[in-house]
Amino acid sequence: RKEVEQDPGPFNVPEGATVAFNCTYSNSASQSFFWYRQDCRKEPKLLMSVYSSGNEDGRFTAQLNRASQYISLLIRDSKLSDSATYLCVVRGTGRRALTFGSGTRLQVQP
Amino acid sequence: EADIYQTPRYLVIGTGKKITLECSQTMGHDKMYWYQQDPGMELHLIHYSYGVNSTEKGDLSSESTVSRIRTEHFPLTLESARPSHTSQYLCASSVDDMNTEAFFGQGTRLTVV
Repeated sequence: RKEVEQDPGPFNVPEGATVAFNCTYSNSASQSFFWYRQDCRKEPKLLMSVYSSGNEDGRFTAQLNRASQYISLLIRDSKLSDSATYLCVVRGTGRRALTFGSGTRLQVQP
Repeated sequence: EADIYQTPRYLVIGTGKKITLECSQTMGHDKMYWYQQDPGMELHLIHYSYGVNSTEKGDLSSESTVSRIRTEHFPLTLESARPSHTSQYLCASSVDDMNTEAFFGQGTRLTVV
């Protein structure tokens, strides 16, 4: 089983749609959680951190459920510019660096 | 914008050559990482550094080696490149292990022919 698992995608949605991505992680000792965005042939960039209480940044809402080891990202009012791959990222303890999910590709269509 | 730089951006090289991929950051970060990513696939950690003179291998076995003689510099070396090394190599850095993000360089796209 992979340490971080995501919806396989791709998600093809019209502009203005609301889309939700899910992610589960296997290491219950994981300490921090992030959503990164990666455009085609580019480096990943932080979209938002995920806090236990849930957090919102404009059209983006992230939630964490530690009991279920589940993370979600909700995008409201999708824009064409939201088209990218969204990576669920988990940081453990000790020597472990960031562990990336395989990503979910989003294509927003006009 | 993150102050982390990788050179070269693209490299095409013949089998058996020795190569070094450069990574430098000006943010004073102690933690630096190398990830490998094949097209359309996930990132895999291949090397990790806590700080100067501290390096560890990551989750994905790699024939590459790294060094960390200076805080700002974390080069990756392949002694003898092979076609199986063709991939994108991404360098990243962070302030600490905990709740801070990692910043990525733009990557080096390596092709071994």
